[in-house]
Amino acid sequence: DQQVKQNSPSLSVQEGRISILNCDYTNSMFDYFLWYKKYPAEGPTFLISISSIKDKNEDGRFTVFLNKSAKHLSLHIVPSQPGDSAVYFCAASAVSGAGSYQLTFGKGTKLSVIP
Amino acid sequence: DAGVIQSPRHEVTEMGQEVTLRCKPISGHNSLFWYRQTMMRGLELLIYFNNNVPIDDSGMPEDRFSAKMPNASFSTLKIQPSEPRDSAVYFCASSFSGASYEQYFGPGTRLTVT
Repeated sequence: DQQVKQNSPSLSVQEGRISILNCDYTNSMFDYFLWYKKYPAEGPTFLISISSIKDKNEDGRFTVFLNKSAKHLSLHIVPSQPGDSAVYFCAASAVSGAGSYQLTFGKGTKLSVIP
Repeated sequence: DAGVIQSPRHEVTEMGQEVTLRCKPISGHNSLFWYRQTMMRGLELLIYFNNNVPIDDSGMPEDRFSAKMPNASFSTLKIQPSEPRDSAVYFCASSFSGASYEQYFGPGTRLTVT
């Protein structure tokens, strides 16, 4: 059972337009959400995050929105640039019994920004 | 600052051989995570350590997989014997638990078992 779902395996967007990547989750115990970006032959790198007590977090061109009632979050990239072409992973976290923050990842969405 | 270091970057081995993947976490981080990435299953958590102690190994596929963290600066993931279905990219990540949810990933080891 997938607790974090990214239903779109790929997305193509024109340069300068908005990219919207979506993520759904099922576990109501998740209290923190993150987006990671991954280029080929590299490890995922942290992009932006949001706490469950907020509904929006913005960092430059990147904004994450959280809808707790729908158990849905989205990442908006405006304007999209060719360098944004990568695989984007949604991740969710709940504190484990040992106090560590374990992440559960979606399968990723491959974003292609067309010049 | 050096990030998470993994070795080797690529490993090709024959079925039945032992494979050892290595990870050096970021200095000062006290949590270490091993993940496996495949097309079918995405990024799966195999095991994680907190202060060098294995906390949750429920993601380890079977007894052929084992992981150790003898000290705060080194961890290994061993597969013995390896099988073709173990072919995947294995990532190591570290974090400072108690301060951040953010995990820092290494570049990964691409394992091919023929």
